[in-house]
Amino acid sequence: EIVLTQSPGTLSLSPGERVTLSCRASQSVYSSDWVWYQQKPGQAPRVLTYGPSNRAAGIPDRFSASGSATDSTLTIDRLEPGDCGIYHCQQEGGSSLPFGGGTRVEIK
Amino acid sequence: QVQLQESGPGLVKPSQTLSLTCTVSGGSIGSGSFFWTWMRQPAGKGLEWIGRVYTSGSIKSHPSLKSRVTISFDKSKNQFSLELTSVTAADTAVYFCARGMPYGGTYYFDSWGQGTLVTVSS
Repeated sequence: EIVLTQSPGTLSLSPGERVTLSCRASQSVYSSDWVWYQQKPGQAPRVLTYGPSNRAAGIPDRFSASGSATDSTLTIDRLEPGDCGIYHCQQEGGSSLPFGGGTRVEIK
Repeated sequence: QVQLQESGPGLVKPSQTLSLTCTVSGGSIGSGSFFWTWMRQPAGKGLEWIGRVYTSGSIKSHPSLKSRVTISFDKSKNQFSLELTSVTAADTAVYFCARGMPYGGTYYFDSWGQGTLVTVSS
């Protein structure tokens, strides 16, 4: 079973900063089609990016992603107060669809 | 725009069966090519994929839950359902239904229900 590990667990940053979130697979995954979501308290996740680097509808270009067969990175430029929340990565695991444990982003 | 809504009991006793339904509006679950999916999220933890039913009726569930999970769909009611048997406290979580959009070698979730909290307790 493929396990996704996200790092760091929590980040606390100031508005305007650039943040990089990491997601690593325990073994090579089936494709570079990583997916990233943002989740705010009490809400369902919202898709941000999918595939190597596609942004979902309505997602600003401050959000970008890249990935390989073993890991993916989500970058948020010019951090805004509304970017706080938990960020989840997802991949194709063959027998299942694994998610990472999430990275919490806090805005100072 | 498609909308999803989970419904079902919020409290289930240990060893009993958890039953949830996801009602889809704004689109037909029998049309297109989508993965109608159940996931859950224990408090303070990450998301766990439970299983899905494809538009064609093909069903797949998580290997660790497979013996306890039944996923079905009713095109006439535009609903799909989850049954999880022999529940324990470890099954306490917010349960989400979502629509999976195929992309490349996987799929991503572009529409979600709001989630429903299910607590397993006597």
